[in-house]
Amino acid sequence: ETGVTQTPRHLVMGMTNKKSLKCEQHLGHNAMYWYKQSAKKPLELMFVYSLEERVENNSVPSRFSPECPNSSHLFLHLHTLQPEDSALYLCASSQAPYSGGGNEQYFGPGTRLTVT
Amino acid sequence: LAKTTQPISMDSYEGQEVNITCSHNNIATNDYITWYQQFPSQGPRFIIQGYKTKVTNEVASLFIPADRKSSTLSLPRVSLSDTAVYYCLVGDADYKLSFGAGTTVTVRA
Repeated sequence: ETGVTQTPRHLVMGMTNKKSLKCEQHLGHNAMYWYKQSAKKPLELMFVYSLEERVENNSVPSRFSPECPNSSHLFLHLHTLQPEDSALYLCASSQAPYSGGGNEQYFGPGTRLTVT
Repeated sequence: LAKTTQPISMDSYEGQEVNITCSHNNIATNDYITWYQQFPSQGPRFIIQGYKTKVTNEVASLFIPADRKSSTLSLPRVSLSDTAVYYCLVGDADYKLSFGAGTTVTVRA
């Protein structure tokens, strides 16, 4: 248990559906992240939020829309996805939005997304 | 952002020590070196972090030479449950953590 929860754990959706992934952190952190991990590929950073403001958008297609209503919650809204978007989507949080000393990221268990 | 290079895979047997070396030739003065562990279908988990010399915790040791251009993660007496992907990351003062391909460690009985 890392203090970061994600729901749902598994999601199957059609290409015309709209769904949302939810992440919640109980660690009092100020930064939250969305990552994508496709099969046998490295983690890809998608979005970074610092104190509810988006500070990084790593050239992610607009069919992925993040939302951070407060520092404890992060959503990823999905619409008109493609089969190649099937992957493990991971949420993480850290005390501050940088990777320097003492600022490790805590990851949730991920949502396994399948787009049919 | 400092680039890291680590072996793609390593095999070991239960009870052995596993040492994974990561190269980071262009590490910056303020960068820290951090290692994460990831099991299949789970998020990465922080293992250890260091800046120089040696750091040890209940899970692993991290050896960093004086020039800091490489680092070695040492896992003592591994068990089957240590089979995972291990990532070496070098910190930078921005948001872009780059996990790379990592090293797949397979522990056999």
